[in-house]
Amino acid sequence: SAVISQKPSRDICQRGTSLTIQCQVDSQVTMMFWYRQQPGQSLTLIATANQGSEATYESGFVIDKFPISRPNLTFSTLTVSNMSPEDSSIYLCSVEEDEGIYGYTFGSGTRLTVV
Amino acid sequence: GDSVTQMEGPVTLSEEAFLTINCTYTATGYPSLFWYVQYPGEGLQLLLKATKADDKGSNKGFEATYRKETTSFHLEKGSVQVSDSAVYFCALMDSNYQLIWGAGTKLIIKP
Repeated sequence: SAVISQKPSRDICQRGTSLTIQCQVDSQVTMMFWYRQQPGQSLTLIATANQGSEATYESGFVIDKFPISRPNLTFSTLTVSNMSPEDSSIYLCSVEEDEGIYGYTFGSGTRLTVV
Repeated sequence: GDSVTQMEGPVTLSEEAFLTINCTYTATGYPSLFWYVQYPGEGLQLLLKATKADDKGSNKGFEATYRKETTSFHLEKGSVQVSDSAVYFCALMDSNYQLIWGAGTKLIIKP
């Protein structure tokens, strides 16, 4: 299965600033996914990123707040913009294995605290 | 729409106890089913999966059987260890190849 390197693993940021999270995959993948996991909650899909096109955002998430880049088939970034304490969460990237039929592989996550 | 329901936690057991974490689903068709585990401070790892009815997924002593008649995918382990303490998520893959997640069940194993 694919191996994902996600960084930073954690950060503490001041409100009003922005943080960019990077995910590097060791193989080419068509789709990459970005999730948010708020404290004590399950995962919520933020957006799906395809190489060469704009990301597709889920309801409640907008590009101005969570801009995503997908410059090639092995890399993606998620930026959390103009942060507030409510953005404190774990952010995870994920890729599908075998067109998703056999599951997804996740990065180790970025634990973000906004103060 | 499709949904996954897990038993609420936390579930607290003593070491070597038998574990069951219930998971039921609602979906059109026959989706692939998964259990993911999240150890403290870490990301998600695929624990096991089943892609069709009556399949049994297994890994690290954990098992789950895809039961079409009861739309269930309960996670079981015969003898838990302290190192199994984690949050366990049940999920299904919908017809758009996206994961639908359960709320997660926190498991605490006491020595």
